[in-house]
Amino acid sequence: GAVVSQHPSRVICKSGTSVKIECRSLDFQATTMFWYRQFPKQSLMLMATSNEGSKATYEQGVEKDKFLINHASLTLSTLTVTSAHPEDSSFYICSVPGQGRDEQYFGPGTRLTVT
Amino acid sequence: GDSVTQMEGPVTLSEEAFLTINCTYTATGYPSLFWYVQYPGEGLQLLLKATKADDKGSNKGFEATYRKETTSFHLEKGSVQVSDSAVYFCALGTGRRALTFGSGTRLQVQP
Repeated sequence: GAVVSQHPSRVICKSGTSVKIECRSLDFQATTMFWYRQFPKQSLMLMATSNEGSKATYEQGVEKDKFLINHASLTLSTLTVTSAHPEDSSFYICSVPGQGRDEQYFGPGTRLTVT
Repeated sequence: GDSVTQMEGPVTLSEEAFLTINCTYTATGYPSLFWYVQYPGEGLQLLLKATKADDKGSNKGFEATYRKETTSFHLEKGSVQVSDSAVYFCALGTGRRALTFGSGTRLQVQP
């Protein structure tokens, strides 16, 4: 069964509104979760590392005030896209470190479309 | 820093053809290597992995061998099916950090 869930799987919102995406670790606790972004026909790019109990760590070029990350508990991280614009339309994927060496479990992704 | 280089796609093959998708990497330390597959409109699925040199990962007829001397992890399958049509990503991991992905290779298998 699924190890990591994301909600919603798809969302369409109007330009200027905010959207929250949830990532849940179903099988175990995670002090760290990762958020990636994937543009159409492109690879996954790491956006930020979500840390339970402390601030998220953002990759260079990612606006932390636009992409708010909250690691609410050991099983939940949320990504909020604030004041969304059409260029924020993308596939957002989270991952959770697994038990095995260097292993990661990926969520099914959330497709965001901003109109 | 760490990086992964994959062969450019798309790769178009006829059913039952032999598949190779090249992947090379640069990394500090001793990374684990992965192949992920992404079907249209879906998330990533782990296809196979190898955690040390000379390890061979295999799953669903796909294989890849961790070659430290050539820093490679090429994906192979002896006989592809239409259902194998997807995008394949090579990735490396070092410790409990995020994975580093290659650019992805789109495979299209024709009947």
